Amino acid sequence: QKEVEQNSGPLSVPEGAIASLNCTYSDRGSQSFFWYRQYSGKSPELIMFIYSNGDKEDGRFTAQLNKASQYVSLLIRDSQPSDSATYLCAVSNSGYALNFGKGTSLLVTP
Amino acid sequence: DAGVTQSPTHLIKTRGQHVTLRCSPISGHKSVSWYQQVLGQGPQFIFQYYEKEERGRGNFPDRFSARQFPNYSSELNVNALLLGDSALYLCASSFSGGGSETQYFGPGTRLLVL
Repeated sequence: QKEVEQNSGPLSVPEGAIASLNCTYSDRGSQSFFWYRQYSGKSPELIMFIYSNGDKEDGRFTAQLNKASQYVSLLIRDSQPSDSATYLCAVSNSGYALNFGKGTSLLVTP
Repeated sequence: DAGVTQSPTHLIKTRGQHVTLRCSPISGHKSVSWYQQVLGQGPQFIFQYYEKEERGRGNFPDRFSARQFPNYSSELNVNALLLGDSALYLCASSFSGGGSETQYFGPGTRLLVL
């Protein structure tokens, strides 16, 4: 079973701080990496995807990928209470299925 | 444009019954994937369909089946329901379902088996 591991949290950060969410994966053939946000009782919503080593920035979000270390992270700058949600890391190899971690619960406190 | 739509939103069944869940992908998308999300876990892949053909299947029993129609909508069928089938069933839409493509999720169908 190819694993995607995330710390379940909860990760608590004060409003305005940087939240750092981490994910490791076991399949070295993985090629595509996705971060989804899921509010309680709702479906996952895409935040970012990254395919190449390095950083990718989109607004307050930065995804970081290190294939050698099999590690992908998501940084959220200037965290807001509305960012409080579960963040799901998903990994895909050359196939079609997304392999998800269990998610990290983020709580941004005012 | 409309996103992915799923019906029904909620469903209550009893053990042994059968259930059919429906999904319509984003306009122009030809691939539909189904996932099961149990409380506290990430979504687990069940099926992917592309151009009406099953492209892949996850580690689920034969009680689970699906199909895709010419208009690219899809149905997920589950027979002989078990209590453990209680979950949020998610449909995801993508253009062709390739591994590098983003999958966009619908609102889900919440199934409770009593």
